[in-house]
Amino acid sequence: EAQVTQNPRYLITVTGKKLTVTCSQNMNHEYMSWYRQDPGLGLRQIYYSMNVEVTDKGDVPEGYKVSRKEKRNFPLILESPSPNQTSLYFCASSLGEGWYNEQFFGPGTRLTVL
Amino acid sequence: GNSVTQMEGPVTLSEEAFLTINCTYTATGYPSLFWYVQYPGEGLQLLLKATKADDKGSNKGFEATYRKETTSFHLEKGSVQVSDSAVYFCALRIQGGSEKLVFGKGTKLTVNP
Repeated sequence: EAQVTQNPRYLITVTGKKLTVTCSQNMNHEYMSWYRQDPGLGLRQIYYSMNVEVTDKGDVPEGYKVSRKEKRNFPLILESPSPNQTSLYFCASSLGEGWYNEQFFGPGTRLTVL
Repeated sequence: GNSVTQMEGPVTLSEEAFLTINCTYTATGYPSLFWYVQYPGEGLQLLLKATKADDKGSNKGFEATYRKETTSFHLEKGSVQVSDSAVYFCALRIQGGSEKLVFGKGTKLTVNP
């Protein structure tokens, strides 16, 4: 089954404790992206990747890092989480360049930083 | 810049009522337009899309027409069901750059039996 998977689905952590949220897709997609969803703000892009070893900042990259060492994986790293990073995070992927291509979303990771 | 404005919710309807969720956009280029749906506790799923002016996207009884002259992409359904209760997001995507999806803030729909 074609899908985007994220782990963990739920995470409660404390300020300053490094964490990684994994994202994996099995559709051989080149483009991957991370969004955060906050009430009243909709979804905002954090980082994106056009292909392996090609990443760039989205609209709200502060406090986050990403890497793209393999085509299928695109982990989101919070080196020193803070309470304002409490949010619902979604990973998405789509087939190569082409703004008309559908983005497929993972199920989401709900993160709480105390 | 690029932005999407959709009607504020929440919207509450009775089963079999007609649904319209308004969506307008501002874009620096020529966007593709999407409606995504988020059911409770789940991720976003593409509901329908349109990639050029006058295209009509349709799926599961929902429709939306890409209106370039009014920069709109309103979502409609003739007869809603309880199972349509969800949050609906209008979004656009521009060629080039980050190719990100730019989302509206979402409209929560509740359909009562």
